[in-house]
Amino acid sequence: GDSVTQMEGPVTLSEEAFLTINCTYTATGYPSLFWYVQYPGEGLQLLLKATKADDKGSNKGFEATYRKETTSFHLEKGSVQVSDSAVYFCALGLGSARQLTFGSGTQLTVLP
Amino acid sequence: KAGVTQTPRYLIKTRGQQVTLSCSPISGHRSVSWYQQTPGQGLQFLFEYFSETQRNKGNFPGRFSGRQFSNSRSEMNVSTLELGDSALYLCASSLSGGATDTQYFGPGTRLTVL
Repeated sequence: GDSVTQMEGPVTLSEEAFLTINCTYTATGYPSLFWYVQYPGEGLQLLLKATKADDKGSNKGFEATYRKETTSFHLEKGSVQVSDSAVYFCALGLGSARQLTFGSGTQLTVLP
Repeated sequence: KAGVTQTPRYLIKTRGQQVTLSCSPISGHRSVSWYQQTPGQGLQFLFEYFSETQRNKGNFPGRFSGRQFSNSRSEMNVSTLELGDSALYLCASSLSGGATDTQYFGPGTRLTVL
């Protein structure tokens, strides 16, 4: 079945460090890919999305490129801030399934 | 535009009871999905409704059910609660539920079963 594998956490970085959170997927078709972020005590917020190969999603300094050849959608940010501390989820949506399949989430803590 | 709202935000029940959770989607959104989030299992899809019809269902027992009303508001019900049903239940809405649609999530209902 379809699945998403995310980099194990937790990840701890200093402010202004470079962030990469790896995400790879297995799918029988051509999924849309998403990154969601969850702050403590809140629901999920869409961070960025890509719907086809080579698309690059970007938002708030975060970027991810849909790489069909490596079935990956790694999240990157050049300079993290303390306010980026949260849990990040990679997810895929496929065909008419009308559901998202999520990775296990990566806890990010950014220290001042 | 108002976001997805869920009520109640917190709920405490005992084993064997039943519970109903409510979700109001973003205005104009006709698809509503429900997810269960637990530390052990992560985020798991429960079901999806569109125009009052359940179109997709995840791998959960029949104790979990839902419905959608003509105004797109949705409710989910869990009967005969078990300790393992303690979780954050998230509702998400989208325009039509397609694979490329963005799902917008509510803040969740935290259910504790004692």
